[in-house]
Amino acid sequence: DAGVIQSPRHEVTEMGQEVTLRCKPISGHDYLFWYRQTMMRGLELLIYFNNNVPIDDSGMPEDRFSAKMPNASFSTLKIQPSEPRDSAVYFCASSLTQYFGPGTRLLVL
Amino acid sequence: KQEVTQIPAALSVPEGENLVLNCSFTDSAIYNLQWFRQDPGKGLTSLLLIQSSQREQTSGRLNASLDKSSGRSTLYIAASQPGDSATYLCAAETQGGSEKLVFGKGTKLTVNP
Repeated sequence: DAGVIQSPRHEVTEMGQEVTLRCKPISGHDYLFWYRQTMMRGLELLIYFNNNVPIDDSGMPEDRFSAKMPNASFSTLKIQPSEPRDSAVYFCASSLTQYFGPGTRLLVL
Repeated sequence: KQEVTQIPAALSVPEGENLVLNCSFTDSAIYNLQWFRQDPGKGLTSLLLIQSSQREQTSGRLNASLDKSSGRSTLYIAASQPGDSATYLCAAETQGGSEKLVFGKGTKLTVNP
């Protein structure tokens, strides 16, 4: 089992550009969570899915953020347009006991 | 709104010492309390999960306790080793099985050889 896979691992982009983060959960896990981690705010839940359906997106900071889960093996988190304050490490995790991926480190210049 | 606090933010101990990490939460109506470990540049790894009906959980040299009435959980690490150096985070799930975890900011532990 390869665990939760995230890509890219690092992303550097310029303000205003679209950013797409990808996550492949562990096969058979029904839940998928997207988190953001910063030094100031710690780890925050952005959105989570159950059986590919978004259950709670109250943590999504603004309309610039959107997430989809078109099937059980793939999810995306999109930021459009990106801003410097979006710089953080973004994690996805699957299942209720939260198996975390390695994260995507995003830097918006 | 549930808030989770971990004090201290950083802790340095000599190898072999027994130590306790603290976690406090504001809403005692929690569904479960989970402890995670995070190594630099890595994701989180779940260490122990204590359900609301339980008082403690043990795994090897780790023991986590939960006192809902006082809004506290502790993670006890026995005979610490340099390999235990990492950031430890606790997270509370609010009652009702919402699956939403509220995380503390973590305690960065350094175990010196």
